[in-house]
Amino acid sequence: EIVLTQSPATLSLSPGERATLSCRASQSVSSYLAWYQQKPGQAPRLLIYDASNRATGIPARFSGSGSGTDFTLTISSLEPEDFAVYYCQQRSNWPYSFGQGTKLEIK
Amino acid sequence: EVQLVESGGGLVQPGGSLRLSCAASGFTFSSYSMNWVRQAPGKGLEWVSYISSSSSTIYYADSVKGRFTISRDNAKNSLYLQMNSLRAEDTAVYYCARVGLRVWALDYWGQGTLVTVSS
Repeated sequence: EIVLTQSPATLSLSPGERATLSCRASQSVSSYLAWYQQKPGQAPRLLIYDASNRATGIPARFSGSGSGTDFTLTISSLEPEDFAVYYCQQRSNWPYSFGQGTKLEIK
Repeated sequence: EVQLVESGGGLVQPGGSLRLSCAASGFTFSSYSMNWVRQAPGKGLEWVSYISSSSSTIYYADSVKGRFTISRDNAKNSLYLQMNSLRAEDTAVYYCARVGLRVWALDYWGQGTLVTVSS
C-alpha cells in the first residue's frame, strides 16, 4: 500500500501570504495525485488532479506541481475562504490512499 | 446540477449491519464509476470501496474487506454499501463520491451520512 505523508500537519499563515503544502509518497505515483479541500462540516472539494491540473471552477491562485514521490500544492495569495484542511490522494495503485491532511489556519 | 445524497446512517450495535444508499441525479449515473470514502470523527479521509460503471470492477480497503459490499443499480441511479459485522472503528461519516469521466479524481461528493457503532 502506498503511504502519503503530508507536511506540515498545521500551517499558520495570514491572508495575502503564500502557502506551500507538501505531499510525499512512499513510492512513485507518477503524476497520479489529486488535492482536495475540506472545510468544517462540508464534504471535500476537488482542487487539483493529475498533480497539476486545476479542476473546474478552481481559482488560479491554486496550483499543483511535482511527480514521482514529491508533490506540492501552492496557494499564491491566501483568501479568507482558503483556510481549511487539505488532503492529497494517489491513484497509482489500489488502495487509492489519502494523506493525513494539512490544516491551514489563520495566524 | 450534479447531486449525490447519502442515506441510511444511524446508530448500530457492534456486530450489527447497516445499508447505506446514495441517490444520484443531474448526470448519467450509469456512465460513472463511484466510491465510498469515510471520515472518523476529527480524523482524515479514508477510501473504503470502488465500483466501476458496469459493476465489473470492485475494490475494497483491507479494513472492510469481507465485511462490506458495494453495489449499484443503474436503473435506479443508486449506489449502495452493505456493512456487516460492524465495529466501533467503523464509526464515521460515509461519503459517496463520483469519479470524473475524463479524469480519475473524485469530482463530486455527497454531504455524507453518519454511522455510529456503539453499544
